[in-house]
Amino acid sequence: KQEVTQIPAALSVPEGENLVLNCSFTDSAIYNLQWFRQDPGKGLTSLLLIQSSQREQTSGRLNASLDKSSGRSTLYIAASQPGDSATYLCAVPNSGGYQKVTFGIGTKLQVIP
Amino acid sequence: EAQVTQNPRYLITVTGKKLTVTCSQNMNHEYMSWYRQDPGLGLRQIYYSMNVEVTDKGDVPEGYKVSRKEKRNFPLILESPSPNQTSLYFCASSLYSTYEQYFGPGTRLTVT
Repeated sequence: KQEVTQIPAALSVPEGENLVLNCSFTDSAIYNLQWFRQDPGKGLTSLLLIQSSQREQTSGRLNASLDKSSGRSTLYIAASQPGDSATYLCAVPNSGGYQKVTFGIGTKLQVIP
Repeated sequence: EAQVTQNPRYLITVTGKKLTVTCSQNMNHEYMSWYRQDPGLGLRQIYYSMNVEVTDKGDVPEGYKVSRKEKRNFPLILESPSPNQTSLYFCASSLYSTYEQYFGPGTRLTVT
């Protein structure tokens, strides 16, 4: 069974800092990995979807990397802003059909002005 | 506007009183899914549907039912709600199961 772990659980940084969020998974036979953002009391917003054949995917100040062999993905946020404060979650479809999806618990990010 | 809608957004009910949470998407997506989110446990998949009339269990299906009679709708049914089903529920859809998922705004359910 796929297990997804996100470390750290919480992170507080000063505005302007570059930061890295980590996501690890136990079953490396993934089809893709998706990063989401969740604001308090709100739904999830898709940030990046990185396919298993890709090593990186970029959108604005966000860059996601994927290393299937080591079971890791990182989300890099450049020049963090207070508006980046949210919980960031990663999710992977399970191997053996890809219909089921497993989420990490998330990293709660606070960017201090 | 492409979106996933859920209703109601907030619901307080009593143990045993049947309820339905509706989910609708306007993107002609094949795949739809229900999740619950609980503190410390994260998002867990309840049921998913690959297409009309095709549904299957996720990781936590006990106490829930779903149906997919139309492509755009995927209601979640709690036949006899219990307090341990108090949670934040999300519906999501994607073109296919391995494509980018889009989430609804969530339904906060409290069962007393």
